[in-house]
Amino acid sequence: GAVVSQHPSWVICKSGTSVKIECRSLDFQATTMFWYRQFPKQSLMLMATSNEGSKATYEQGVEKDKFLINHASLTLSTLTVTSAHPEDSSFYICSASQRGSDTQYFGPGTRLTVL
Amino acid sequence: QKEVEQNSGPLSVPEGAIASLNCTYSDRGSQSFFWYRQYSGKSPELIMFIYSNGDKEDGRFTAQLNKASQYVSLLIRDSQPSDSATYLCAVRGGGTYKYIFGTGTRLKVLA
Repeated sequence: GAVVSQHPSWVICKSGTSVKIECRSLDFQATTMFWYRQFPKQSLMLMATSNEGSKATYEQGVEKDKFLINHASLTLSTLTVTSAHPEDSSFYICSASQRGSDTQYFGPGTRLTVL
Repeated sequence: QKEVEQNSGPLSVPEGAIASLNCTYSDRGSQSFFWYRQYSGKSPELIMFIYSNGDKEDGRFTAQLNKASQYVSLLIRDSQPSDSATYLCAVRGGGTYKYIFGTGTRLKVLA
């Protein structure tokens, strides 16, 4: 149980384009989803927290207009990187937790490369 | 600033030995403590969590929590080469569902 999927697993795009990443909880209802970014040889950095049906809460320094998060249902959250630039190239990982639990289950991650 | 600290390693142990990974945290109000394993290029995988002082065992893994000293550790018995990975300690503070992650300890189990 507690399986989280992400799509796509990797994406290459041109500078200035937008990329959407999907995060799905497959066998549970995810009341809270988290989006992280991880640069090589660094730990995970939380970007934002989203609760189903509510606006996402962004961490300090994360541009909400650049990283659009939507958590429209209990099984799906999306992260859209708008006007991507090479410095946005990173490993983006989502996690999900269900109501009443603080355990986060991670998706497999999406590797974004912006040319 | 709330912090979670881990020795970056690498920690090298021979196959079959016990690997001991340590983590300290600064927020005394922390409620929950998690250990994740992350292989290179992959996302973190939950190993176990612990909420109360003392030991919690799950197979070859034992988590130990000491809230008074503000540390949590993970013991891996009978270490295998497949255990070679980076181990991340994550701490959830009071009043939030957010984790604070340590930078991870790289473990190398030598065959």
